[in-house]
Amino acid sequence: QVQLVESGGGVVQPGRSLRLSCAGSGFTLSSFLMHWVRQAPGKGLEWVAVISSDGSNKNYADSVMGRFTISRDNSKNTLYLQVNSLRPEDTAVYYCTRGGLDFWGPGTLVSVSS
Amino acid sequence: DIQLTQSPSSLSASVGDRVTITCRASQGISTSVAWFQQKPGKGPKSLIYGASSLQSGVPSKFSGSGSGTHFTLTISSLQPEDFATYYCLQYNSYPFTFGPGTKVDIK
Repeated sequence: QVQLVESGGGVVQPGRSLRLSCAGSGFTLSSFLMHWVRQAPGKGLEWVAVISSDGSNKNYADSVMGRFTISRDNSKNTLYLQVNSLRPEDTAVYYCTRGGLDFWGPGTLVSVSS
Repeated sequence: DIQLTQSPSSLSASVGDRVTITCRASQGISTSVAWFQQKPGKGPKSLIYGASSLQSGVPSKFSGSGSGTHFTLTISSLQPEDFATYYCLQYNSYPFTFGPGTKVDIK
């Protein structure tokens, strides 16, 4: 069955960086667009970024443009999100989701605090 | 960016009730709308795509309709497992945007 599992979250100080990973199984990741979506504690869902199946095209939310980078390694069936210059407002559960947003991982929590 | 509003923001309903949630877009988005259910502590679950197509495995008590700027999600007979928060999403253009959510709880 299709599974997505995020990892790499944690508690970090403002201005620091993290790399989030999303491991896919049960399907061929290289055939799909992939997205990152986040949810701040007690808040709604916010779309963050998307990457094309071959990694050649990317789009970002204005709130993360220039600080976050989405990438993928199809040979490893893995999606990444490099998050730099973290701010307290980036505190959220980060979800990866497949192209049609049909399958979601359980999320990984990023907490930005001094 | 395309803005989505949802109404109501919350509602209280009883088991067996028919519930309708509305999502409005700030500009026309054809049928590029999806609906998601989220329970506390869990990731979202996809219910509807293309405004009215049921995602595989989703029970037929869920239905969606609409096009352009006005969309609805209907639950025909509310069951205990349906108490959750529901979000609409527009995927007509980047950046994708979600509605603020509608919380459905027990009356």
